[in-house]
Amino acid sequence: GNSVTQMEGPVTLSEEAFLTINCTYTATGYPSLFWYVQYPGEGLQLLLKATKADDKGSNKGFEATYRKETTSFHLEKGSVQVSDSAVYFCALCAPSGGSNYKLTFGKGTLLTVNP
Amino acid sequence: NAGVTQTPKFQVLKTGQSMTLQCAQDMNHEYMSWYRQDPGMGLRLIHYSVGAGITDQGEVPNGYNVSRSTTEDFPLRLLSAAPSQTSVYFCASSYNSQGYEQYFGPGTRLTVT
Repeated sequence: GNSVTQMEGPVTLSEEAFLTINCTYTATGYPSLFWYVQYPGEGLQLLLKATKADDKGSNKGFEATYRKETTSFHLEKGSVQVSDSAVYFCALCAPSGGSNYKLTFGKGTLLTVNP
Repeated sequence: NAGVTQTPKFQVLKTGQSMTLQCAQDMNHEYMSWYRQDPGMGLRLIHYSVGAGITDQGEVPNGYNVSRSTTEDFPLRLLSAAPSQTSVYFCASSYNSQGYEQYFGPGTRLTVT
């Protein structure tokens, strides 16, 4: 079946540090890949996505590139801010039988950014 | 647009009680789903619906029922609450299931004692 593996947290950084959160996946076919972010006390919201190999998703200074050869979709940001403190989820969407697709999430990585 | 709304925000139940978690969306989305979030487990799919009148099971459906009588509403019913159902529940919707962005509600924190 499909699966997503992301680096375990928690990750603690100082403001303006470089961020990488690793994500690799296993899926049949050509899934779409997503990063969702969950701020404290809130639901998840889409941060960025990529739908085919070599696509780069970007938003709010975050980037991730769909690497089919390494089945990876690592999240990066050049300079984190305190407001980036949140839980980050890598996810894939792939066919699950018939015409249905299924969204599969990683376990989440807690990021804390200190001033 | 309100997006995806969930009620209640918090709920405490005793073992064996039943209740319904409400979910509504105003975006005319076909696809709606329920997840539970537990520490270290990420999000796990409970049930989903690809349109009014059509529902199906996800990874962890036992102990939960759903129905989809309208496009807007997708309630989740706990038939006989158990402590193992203590969790945070999220409802989500999207245009359809095929790779479109999912919009999440704010969640319901349920405690079963």
